[in-house]
Amino acid sequence: QSALTQPASVSGSPGQSITVSCTGTSSDVGDYNLVSWYQLYPGKAPKLIIFEVNKRPSGVSNRFSGSKSGNTASLTISGLQAEDEGDYYCCSFGGSRPWVFGGGTKVTVL
Amino acid sequence: QLQLQESGPGLAKPSQTLSLTCTVSGDSITSGDYYWSWIRQTPGKGLEWIGYIYHSGSTYYNPSLKSRVTVSVDTSKNQFSLNLTSVTAADTAVYYCARVLLGSYCLDSWGQGTLVTVSS
Repeated sequence: QSALTQPASVSGSPGQSITVSCTGTSSDVGDYNLVSWYQLYPGKAPKLIIFEVNKRPSGVSNRFSGSKSGNTASLTISGLQAEDEGDYYCCSFGGSRPWVFGGGTKVTVL
Repeated sequence: QLQLQESGPGLAKPSQTLSLTCTVSGDSITSGDYYWSWIRQTPGKGLEWIGYIYHSGSTYYNPSLKSRVTVSVDTSKNQFSLNLTSVTAADTAVYYCARVLLGSYCLDSWGQGTLVTVSS
């Protein structure tokens, strides 16, 4: 069982916006603005897409955005494209547990 | 461009030691404010942080694995390594090495991962 809770799957049609939630506790997500999101594809290096809750690394599309409210962080993908299909994981700094991960969300483009 | 590449046996026998190496290219492992980390992905537990090392050699491990984990660094080879002792089938996973950006505590660059299966 992962420390952070994510929905197992989220789907949307091309062009739509979807949101993936990531719920933790007051000891991790709620206590630190150090939430990051990763895109994973089998056989490829995972890719950082959001860090520090809402910052995008250079080269990441501005269709990806992050936010946080209380103990829940969210990743929003706007203008959904076929290439966005994959697995997305959230991660939060957790003090004595430097990294706590979510269980992952499979994003499907219908 | 920074690249990380995991290497090591893809099969380990129960009770033996799993050993992996991460080779860093495109930048020196001693440059900047970074930790160098190991993470694994198991079918049942998702992503799990294993531990990290600073180029000085200081380390920090996941408490749940601490008794079995050693992470070391070889700055002359621009590599860092993972040893996990007394492995069981539960240690079967894709093992990733990654660079950690200090302050942000995000994993900003990853290797593509290597599958290690624990089986007799």
